Amino acid sequence: QKEVEQNSGPLSVPEGAIASLNCTYSDRGSQSFFWYRQYSGKSPELIMSIYSNGDKEDGRFTAQLNKASQYVSLLIRDSQPSDSATYLCAVNYDFGNEKLTFGTGTRLTIIP
Amino acid sequence: DTAVSQTPKYLVTQMGNDKSIKCEQNLGHDTMYWYKQDSKKFLKIMFSYNNKELIINETVPNRFSPKSPDKAHLNLHINSLELGDSAVYFCASSGPGTSFYEQYFGPGTRLTVT
Repeated sequence: QKEVEQNSGPLSVPEGAIASLNCTYSDRGSQSFFWYRQYSGKSPELIMSIYSNGDKEDGRFTAQLNKASQYVSLLIRDSQPSDSATYLCAVNYDFGNEKLTFGTGTRLTIIP
Repeated sequence: DTAVSQTPKYLVTQMGNDKSIKCEQNLGHDTMYWYKQDSKKFLKIMFSYNNKELIINETVPNRFSPKSPDKAHLNLHINSLELGDSAVYFCASSGPGTSFYEQYFGPGTRLTVT
């Protein structure tokens, strides 16, 4: 079974610090990786996508992909209380049919 | 506003009833999805349609039947509702103009079966 694993948390980070969220996946053939943010009672919101090894930066967010080790991470710099949410890692395992497999999410709390 | 929209936002019903949830997207996407998020917040795909054609059908009871009248709409009909169907159901879409497989979610429909 193709899986996506995340530490469920909660992960508590002081305001202004770097929050680091990790995700591992089981299939080496995976091509596309995504991070979604979900506030309580709201829908998942796409914040980052990454397709090749290395880092991808967008504002305060950096996604890191290491296909050899089968992990993808999300760094949030200068964490703000508004970053408190559940972060879902998603992996496309079935190239061609756009199916995403989601992890169970990491709950992040930024402490003022 | 360009978006994925769903109706209703909340649905409370009794066991055994039949209900429908509607989804519409005006993003010009070709592919639409239904996801179920259970009480533990696990998000799992149920169905996917591409240009009105069913392309993903996960292991879902056949009481659930999706219908796509056109590529901008995907509805979900549920027969003989059971307590275990209580969850939040999200519609999503993806397609031309976005990077591969980036999916955008609707606001969700919270279904409560009593």
